[in-house]
Amino acid sequence: DVKVTQSSRYLVKRTGEKVFLECVQDMDHENMFWYRQDPGLGLRLIYFSYDVKMKEKGDIPEGYSVSREKKERFSLILESASTNQTSMYLCASSLPINLEGAANYGYTFGSGTRLTVV
Amino acid sequence: EDQVTQSPEALRLQEGESSSLNCSYTVSGLRGLFWYRQDPGKGPEFLFTLYSAGEEKEKERLKATLTKKESFLHITAPKPEDSATYLCAVQAERDDKIIFGKGTRLHILP
Repeated sequence: DVKVTQSSRYLVKRTGEKVFLECVQDMDHENMFWYRQDPGLGLRLIYFSYDVKMKEKGDIPEGYSVSREKKERFSLILESASTNQTSMYLCASSLPINLEGAANYGYTFGSGTRLTVV
Repeated sequence: EDQVTQSPEALRLQEGESSSLNCSYTVSGLRGLFWYRQDPGKGPEFLFTLYSAGEEKEKERLKATLTKKESFLHITAPKPEDSATYLCAVQAERDDKIIFGKGTRLHILP
C-alpha cells in the first residue's frame, strides 16, 4: 500500500525552538508539498518541490524553510517557532503533470502533524 | 487569480436524504478538478479527477459532475459513514500545484 508518512502525529514545542517536521513517501513521486490547515482558512501551501535539491515558495513561506536532500524525503523547518504556527501540517506527494495520466491519481497526503507551540 | 469556492460551509442531512455540494472555480486553463474526502484528524483522501465539462464520475453513493464554471458532488441516500469534510481543488494547465477550496463539512444523522 503506497503511502506518505509523517514522522509525528502530535507535537508540542516551545516558542523560539527550531522544529523539524519530516515527511517520507514510498511512491517514487517527483513532487512533494507542505500545507498547513487551519479552521476557516482551509489548506494553504507553504513550500513545494518538484525535484531533489529543488524548492519553491508557496503562498505562506514566511517563518518556514524546507530541505529535500533525497527524492523520498521532504522536511519542513520552523526556524523559530511562534504561537501563530500552531496548526495541522500536511505533507503530500504527486506525479509530475507532464506524465500522462498523472492527474488520475491527484495528491497523496500523509496523516498530518498537529503542532502546538506554547 | 485562480480561485475555488465551496458551498455550503456545512450541511446536516438525515440518513437517506440526498443532496449536492457545490464547487465554483476560476482558473486560467483547467487541467483537472479534484474531489477529496477528509475525516477528522486525518489527511485528505483522493476521490475523483474531472477533466472537461460534461464529465461525470461515480463511486458508491457519490457522483461528481463538471461544467465550465462549477462542479457538483451529489450524494445519494447518504449513510452516517459518509460524514466528513469534502474538499474541491483545481489544477491549472501551467502548473503542478493545485488550489483547494475551504471544504464543506457534511454530517449525516442516523
